[in-house]
Amino acid sequence: DSGVTQTPKHLITATGQRVTLRCSPRSGDLSVYWYQQSLDQGLQFLIQYYNGEERAKGNILERFSAQQFPDLHSELNLSSLELGDSALYFCASSVEGRGREKLFFGSGTQLSVL
Amino acid sequence: AQKVTQAQTEISVVEKEDVTLDCVYETRDTTYYLFWYKQPPSGELVFLIRRNSFDEQNEISGRYSWNFQKSTSSFNFTITASQVVDSAVYFCALSEAQNSNSGYALNFGKGTSLLVTP
Repeated sequence: DSGVTQTPKHLITATGQRVTLRCSPRSGDLSVYWYQQSLDQGLQFLIQYYNGEERAKGNILERFSAQQFPDLHSELNLSSLELGDSALYFCASSVEGRGREKLFFGSGTQLSVL
Repeated sequence: AQKVTQAQTEISVVEKEDVTLDCVYETRDTTYYLFWYKQPPSGELVFLIRRNSFDEQNEISGRYSWNFQKSTSSFNFTITASQVVDSAVYFCALSEAQNSNSGYALNFGKGTSLLVTP
């Protein structure tokens, strides 16, 4: 158990809808990362937060947004969903958000857009 | 451009065979970090090793060993005497600074799926 909690584990929704994925980092970790894993794209970095502030942005679509709250949990919002958004979304956390740190990953949220 | 290349998509070996997973990376930074993660069938990504760009010492941990060569930009992973429990997808990843805001992204390769059969 990595200590990173993601909810829900599975999400099935329809095209055009909006969903929210939630992540609670390990106790003491200040930085949260979001990744998308799909068969064709592999593991893609979406965004990083550190202590409530955005630190780095990757291949995140404009329809997607995220935030990290004062209690350090994070939410990833996906809107106007398309079939191609179906993927496994991982949250990870680390203490300082520095490149030398290993990341602790949650078990992921499997999103299916029908 | 792909920053981490894992050319082997799938590898199948018989138990007790040795197997090497290749990883080639690309970066302009002088300071960077390389990682290997394992994703077993359960799905969760598990950290295996970290290596910084200034430390080219090879490392051995039990049946696992890693060979880091800056001259060829490679960070290969060898499993000795493979076991069925080693069956998983293995990812090589590169961490480098993203911007002046001190952000970092861990860029993963496409992964190598290892199947170890009895």
